[in-house]
Amino acid sequence: DSGVTQTPKHLITATGQRVTLRCSPRSGDLSVYWYQQSLDQGLQFLIQYYNGEERAKGNILERFSAQQFPDLHSELNLSSLELGDSALYFCASSPRGGSPLHFGNGTRLTVT
Amino acid sequence: AQSVTQLDSQVPVFEEAPVELRCNYSSSVSVYLFWYVQYPNQGLQLLLKYLSGSTLVKGINGFEAEFNKSQTSFHLRKPSVHISDTAEYFCAANYGGSQGNLIFGKGTKLSVKP
Repeated sequence: DSGVTQTPKHLITATGQRVTLRCSPRSGDLSVYWYQQSLDQGLQFLIQYYNGEERAKGNILERFSAQQFPDLHSELNLSSLELGDSALYFCASSPRGGSPLHFGNGTRLTVT
Repeated sequence: AQSVTQLDSQVPVFEEAPVELRCNYSSSVSVYLFWYVQYPNQGLQLLLKYLSGSTLVKGINGFEAEFNKSQTSFHLRKPSVHISDTAEYFCAANYGGSQGNLIFGKGTKLSVKP
């Protein structure tokens, strides 16, 4: 058990809809990262937050947004969903930048 | 652009045989390297990491990797694999240091046969 909790485990929704994925980092970790894993693109870094502030941005679409709350949990919001957004979304956390990342078990999103 | 290349998408091997999973990274002054393992329907678990110091790094489950700066490689090895090692293995690099976001390779599926 990595200590990183992601909910829900599975999500099935229709095109055009909006969903919110939630992540609780390991106790004491200030950094939260979001990754998307798909068959064609592999693991792609989306965005990083550190202690509530956005720290780094990767290949995140404009339809996607995230935030980290004062209690350090994070939410990833995906809107105007398309079939191609179907993927496994991972959250990871670390005490600070440069440390190994610890991953949650992911949320599998299926857009129909 | 910085990248991580895993040369083999699939590696089949018999139980108790040795295995090497290959990984090359793009050259950089500063780089931290990691190997993660993903079992079916699970998240990624850290196997080992290279931050600095000794180029031979030992990890969990009997795995080890060697950092080779001249060849920009970080190959993962295990002298004798078990059925339970069947999983997908990802090599990853952190070029940013302070930021921590990882660049992953495409993964290598290790299949251990009895």
